[in-house]
Amino acid sequence: EPEVTQTPSHQVTQMGQEVILRCVPISNHLYFYWYRQILGQKVEFLVSFYNNEISEKSEIFDDQFSVERPDGSNFTLKIRSTKLEDSAMYFCASSEPADLAYEQYFGPGTRLTVT
Amino acid sequence: AQTVTQSQPEMSVQEAETVTLSCTYDTSESDYYLFWYKQPPSRQMILVIRQEAYKQQNATENRFSVNFQKAAKSFSLKISDSQLGDAAMYFCAYRRANFGNEKLTFGTGTRLTIIP
Repeated sequence: EPEVTQTPSHQVTQMGQEVILRCVPISNHLYFYWYRQILGQKVEFLVSFYNNEISEKSEIFDDQFSVERPDGSNFTLKIRSTKLEDSAMYFCASSEPADLAYEQYFGPGTRLTVT
Repeated sequence: AQTVTQSQPEMSVQEAETVTLSCTYDTSESDYYLFWYKQPPSRQMILVIRQEAYKQQNATENRFSVNFQKAAKSFSLKISDSQLGDAAMYFCAYRRANFGNEKLTFGTGTRLTIIP
C-alpha cells in the first residue's frame, strides 16, 4: 500500500541553525500539508500546499518557515533559524482530489530537537 | 473558527470490553467531515474512521463505530471488544468540506489504556 515517507526520523540541531525536513507524499496525491505536535500536545496545522503554491498557513508558520516542492516527488519544510520552541514532531500529509473526503495520509513524522 | 474539544484526557478499559471516547466541535458550516485518528507510541497518525456530515447514518469500521449527533455537534467513538493493540492516543479532527486542501483541526486527544 502506498505511504507517505519522511526523513530523517530524528534531527538534532543547535539553536539558530537551518533545518530541512523532507517528505515524499503518495505519488498521485496533489495536496500536501505540514503539521506539528509539541510533545504532549495536540497536532497543529502549519501549512497546506497545492499547485506549487501555499494554499493556507497558520500563525505558527512565520517568515522562518518555508515549503518547497523541488521536484516531482519531494516536499520539504525548511526552518531558517531554529528556536528552542521549534522542538516538536513534524508530520507531513498528503491527499488526492479523487477522494471526496480528501482523506489525509500522514507520514511517520520527524522528531526535531533544538538544543 | 472551528474548534474541537475532547474532554477526556485519559480513559481506560478492560480488554474485550467496550469504551466510548467523546468529542464535541463547534462550527458554523453545514458541510464538513469528522475523523478519528489513532496515534500509537510510534507517533504515526493512523485514520480510524471518518464521517461525512451530510450522512445521517453513523460510520462503522469493524470494531469501531461513531455516534454522530449533528445538532448537538457531538462525535463520539465507540470501540467494541477492546484489544491490547488499541492502546494509543486518539484524536478527533474536523475538516471543512469547501475545498480540497482544507486543513484538519484536531482536539487535544484522549489517551486510551487497555487493561489486560
